[in-house]
Amino acid sequence: KAGVTQTPRYLIKTRGQQVTLSCSPISGHRSVSWYQQTPGQGLQFLFEYFSETQRNKGNFPGRFSGRQFSNSRSEMNVSTLELGDSALYLCASSLAVGGKSEKLFFGSGTQLSVL
Amino acid sequence: GDSVTQMEGPVTLSEEAFLTINCTYTATGYPSLFWYVQYPGEGLQLLLKATKADDKGSNKGFEATYRKETTSFHLEKGSVQVSDSAVYFCALTPSGGYNKLIFGAGTRLAVHP
Repeated sequence: KAGVTQTPRYLIKTRGQQVTLSCSPISGHRSVSWYQQTPGQGLQFLFEYFSETQRNKGNFPGRFSGRQFSNSRSEMNVSTLELGDSALYLCASSLAVGGKSEKLFFGSGTQLSVL
Repeated sequence: GDSVTQMEGPVTLSEEAFLTINCTYTATGYPSLFWYVQYPGEGLQLLLKATKADDKGSNKGFEATYRKETTSFHLEKGSVQVSDSAVYFCALTPSGGYNKLIFGAGTRLAVHP
């Protein structure tokens, strides 16, 4: 069974640009969550999508947005990039049966560098 | 707000030594508690979890007990191996938080032969 797939693996952008990251969850998983990992702030929750609806959101500015498609694939968008957005962006999927806390399966991440 | 505090690393041990990584949390209600591990060059993996007070999670020789009275979830292993070298993250999901994880800062463990 294929794991969580994130593309691209690496990305270099300049300040002011926007970027879209993609995540394909494990087949059958309906929940997709996004996390930002930096050396200074550690792992921080961005948002979670379940059945194409955002059901939880972290404390990030509106420049960070996401969506989920009917096949559960998810995209995350960051507009007007800032230097501080340089980070490893992790996607995680889970079955999310009954909405309970479950085992999350993480992808390898997209390493974003903003110059 | 909800938060997780874990001991700073790095923790350096010899093979077969006893391991303890301390983790305490602040949360309202009854969060679920987790330990995740990140091996070099790999993604985060769930190591163990506990969903209610006094539950003990265990996996691969690692154990942690959900202690509500001390708001702690310390990770222990009786005899570490070189292959256990990794970064360990304590995390919680708030009550009703679905799959939102709040992570601690992570503790790097290095085990030497």
